[in-house]
Amino acid sequence: AQSVTQLGSHVSVSEGALVLLRCNYSSSVPPYLFWYVQYPNQGLQLLLKYTTGATLVKGINGFEAEFKKSETSFHLTKPSAHMSDAAEYFCAVCRSNDYKLSFGAGTTVTVRA
Amino acid sequence: GAGVSQSPSNKVTEKGKDVELRCDPISGHTALYWYRQRLGQGLEFLIYFQGNSAPDKSGLPSDRFSAERTGESVSTLTIQRTQQEDSAVYLCASSLEGLENNEQFFGPGTRLTVL
Repeated sequence: AQSVTQLGSHVSVSEGALVLLRCNYSSSVPPYLFWYVQYPNQGLQLLLKYTTGATLVKGINGFEAEFKKSETSFHLTKPSAHMSDAAEYFCAVCRSNDYKLSFGAGTTVTVRA
Repeated sequence: GAGVSQSPSNKVTEKGKDVELRCDPISGHTALYWYRQRLGQGLEFLIYFQGNSAPDKSGLPSDRFSAERTGESVSTLTIQRTQQEDSAVYLCASSLEGLENNEQFFGPGTRLTVL
């Protein structure tokens, strides 16, 4: 079975500062990894995903994540936070031969002016 | 084009009543998923439909929960004899067929409150 751990349920950053959201996973087979963002009163939106190939994945809104197999991690970063980045972020994993996503508990990001 | 839509957006019901939640997937998406999101928790997989194959119901928490899908279109999630612990946001997602296309597009969810 797959599982996902997101370190920190809440992260507060200053506008312009680095955003770092941590995600560690466990999977018995090569995983597909995802980051989703959920803005208030909206559905989840895919930020980026890793399936195969390059381990550094770039997504929308300036976010990127790096798949590190040795660390079983898929941390999400953005060099400079914007007020519009305030949202809840979810890391998810599925086996490469499956379709069920397992989600982390989510990290709420607040951005201080 | 239109995304995944869900109705109602909010539902308040009394304990013991039955509720039906509706999901309209993106046209052409053969795969449809239901998830539950409890307050402060991640999403829990409930059920998966793919074309005409038998649905994967492995995530349904009890026999009070059931879901149907008409062809490759609308799905309804039914909760019978609702309990307070059923209070959550129920999210529907759809995707194209094939694992390499496993980008799930989510609807806005239905917030269910059981009093």
